[in-house]
Amino acid sequence: GAGVSQSPSNKVTEKGKDVELRCDPISGHTALYWYRQSLGQGLEFLIYFQGNSAPDKSGLPSDRFSAERTGGSVSTLTIQRTQQEDSAVYLCASSLGPGPQDDEQFFGPGTRLTVL
Amino acid sequence: QKEVEQDPGPLSVPEGAIVSLNCTYSNSAFQYFMWYRQYSRKGPELLMYTYSSGNKEDGRFTAQVDKSSKYISLFIRDSQPSDSATYLCAMRGSSGGSYIPTFGRGTSLIVHP
Repeated sequence: GAGVSQSPSNKVTEKGKDVELRCDPISGHTALYWYRQSLGQGLEFLIYFQGNSAPDKSGLPSDRFSAERTGGSVSTLTIQRTQQEDSAVYLCASSLGPGPQDDEQFFGPGTRLTVL
Repeated sequence: QKEVEQDPGPLSVPEGAIVSLNCTYSNSAFQYFMWYRQYSRKGPELLMYTYSSGNKEDGRFTAQVDKSSKYISLFIRDSQPSDSATYLCAMRGSSGGSYIPTFGRGTSLIVHP
């Protein structure tokens, strides 16, 4: 079956512009995660959606970052007024659910964001 | 000090070698431990998932958890050039909504023919 897809695969933008990154999770997965991966820095958690519950936004680095998940499926991560330090690979993952039997995360290929 | 420490490498070994990759952690609440493999320009994929202390084997891969030392390992036997990738450890607690894992920085492994 189809895995997690993300678009665009690459995005180059100018400092100060807004960008939108999209994630299509695996059908039937109720949990969705966004991470940021900078060179040599590992995966930094950004935001977590689980079903209809309020998202866990504790990892968002500033109020320039926001995300939504429509209809419990597709998610969009928006970065407003981009800064050069926002340059990174943004990864999305989904899992069946949050429980210990269901929380294996399946990752998309990522969106490589470059802010000039 | 980060919650999860992992040497970024690179670790370079000849084909056929036994590889040992390790992570240390500081949070005693971690109960679930994972190893992901990430090829260049791809997303991570889960290799091993273990609960609490002990060993788990899957083909050429063995995951080992020592909670008393807060130390986890991934062993790769008969390493192949196709094993060349970055290996990330991850771990999380068992309840209270802490389903979000904490990741290590990843260790870059190069297996040369």
